[in-house]
Amino acid sequence: QKEVEQNSGPLSVPEGAIASLNCTYSDRGSQSFFWYRQYSGKSPELIMFIYSNGDKEDGRFTAQLNKASQYVSLLIRDSQPSDSATYLCAVRHRNQAGTALIFGKGTTLSVSS
Amino acid sequence: ETGVTQTPRHLVMGMTNKKSLKCEQHLGHNAMYWYKQSAKKPLELMFVYSLEERVENNSVPSRFSPECPNSSHLFLHLHTLQPEDSALYLCASSQSRAGSSGNTIYFGEGSWLTVV
Repeated sequence: QKEVEQNSGPLSVPEGAIASLNCTYSDRGSQSFFWYRQYSGKSPELIMFIYSNGDKEDGRFTAQLNKASQYVSLLIRDSQPSDSATYLCAVRHRNQAGTALIFGKGTTLSVSS
Repeated sequence: ETGVTQTPRHLVMGMTNKKSLKCEQHLGHNAMYWYKQSAKKPLELMFVYSLEERVENNSVPSRFSPECPNSSHLFLHLHTLQPEDSALYLCASSQSRAGSSGNTIYFGEGSWLTVV
């Protein structure tokens, strides 16, 4: 059973702090990992993806991947109230087309001003 | 205008009704998906179409019937649904290239379905 696990939260951080969101996955053969942000009542939107071990930075966001530990994380620096949302971790599912994503339940982040 | 559009945005239907959800993507993608999002549960992959061929059906009840007439359009036909089928149904698309790690899935705004 392929699974993606996330702590549902809520994770509360003050404005300007670093928010750290974590995700583990069960399929050791997974190759690609994605972070989506979903505001209440809206559809998920992609923040970034990563497929190599190590860190990948994009603005205030850094994704970290450790395939040996089957662990992927998202760091948000200088957190803003507008970052308050649910963050979904997703892993590429190796179906016939090799394209679908399997999602975790998401972690709710609350940034207080 | 978003790259993936869904209609209707909201739908209320009785358990004996037949209705359809429609999705259209304007991104030139050749893979399309239906996901279901219920409260307190992860996004559930329902169906995958690649190059207009259904390549995955995740044990979805037959009261949900997908249709993909071409690479830009995807439908979800609904028949004799149950109240527990009430959820947000999300359509998504991506480029289907086996082995390409960066292919991203883009979501539509979703169709909120309430079964009464």
